[in-house]
Amino acid sequence: DTAVSQTPKYLVTQMGNDKSIKCEQNLGHDTMYWYKQDSKKFLKIMFSYNNKELIINETVPNRFSPKSPDKAHLNLHINSLELGDSAVYFCASSNDARWKLFFGSGTQLSVL
Amino acid sequence: KNEVEQSPQNLTAQEGEFITINCSYSVGISALHWLQQHPGGGIVSLFMLSSGKKKHGRLIATINIQEKHSSLHITASHPRDSAVYICATIKAAGNKLTFGGGTRVLVKP
Repeated sequence: DTAVSQTPKYLVTQMGNDKSIKCEQNLGHDTMYWYKQDSKKFLKIMFSYNNKELIINETVPNRFSPKSPDKAHLNLHINSLELGDSAVYFCASSNDARWKLFFGSGTQLSVL
Repeated sequence: KNEVEQSPQNLTAQEGEFITINCSYSVGISALHWLQQHPGGGIVSLFMLSSGKKKHGRLIATINIQEKHSSLHITASHPRDSAVYICATIKAAGNKLTFGGGTRVLVKP
């Protein structure tokens, strides 16, 4: 069983569309994260949820909205996609940032 | 200047060589992660350190909190160690990771 699974792995879409990326973890962790990796491979935190509650919300456009229906799921919805949103998005989970992180396999988003 | 700096950015080694990757940070932290990103893109957590030294197989990670510096060593390197190695810090207050830019390691047979 995959510990942190995110879907889809690849997402190609047109500018202006709305899309979602799903993430699920079966590790029983309390905290889940969304990270963005840009074309230079630089990782940056976007959001962090602890037990369905938003605890980190970096300077991310309002077009990005995380949704956590329960502590095992953290989905990322993106409205009105722009070219600059093209990146690889990683979901991760842990019991706390001071504990080992488990990453999903990433979603490569390409906005045309 | 980034809050977390790694050096070198790129490193090429021959199989069997000892490799060292450095990570320096500018603010007080409570812990530091070392991550490995494989050519296929997947990210694996190698170590989480708050002091001293940790060893796992051929990998050794050290941290000096006073000097704001951590190193990741790979002993007897192997081509399968080829990956990007990323350090990430957690500030003394808070839960947010700040990432270094990564070190791309290529180990040639």
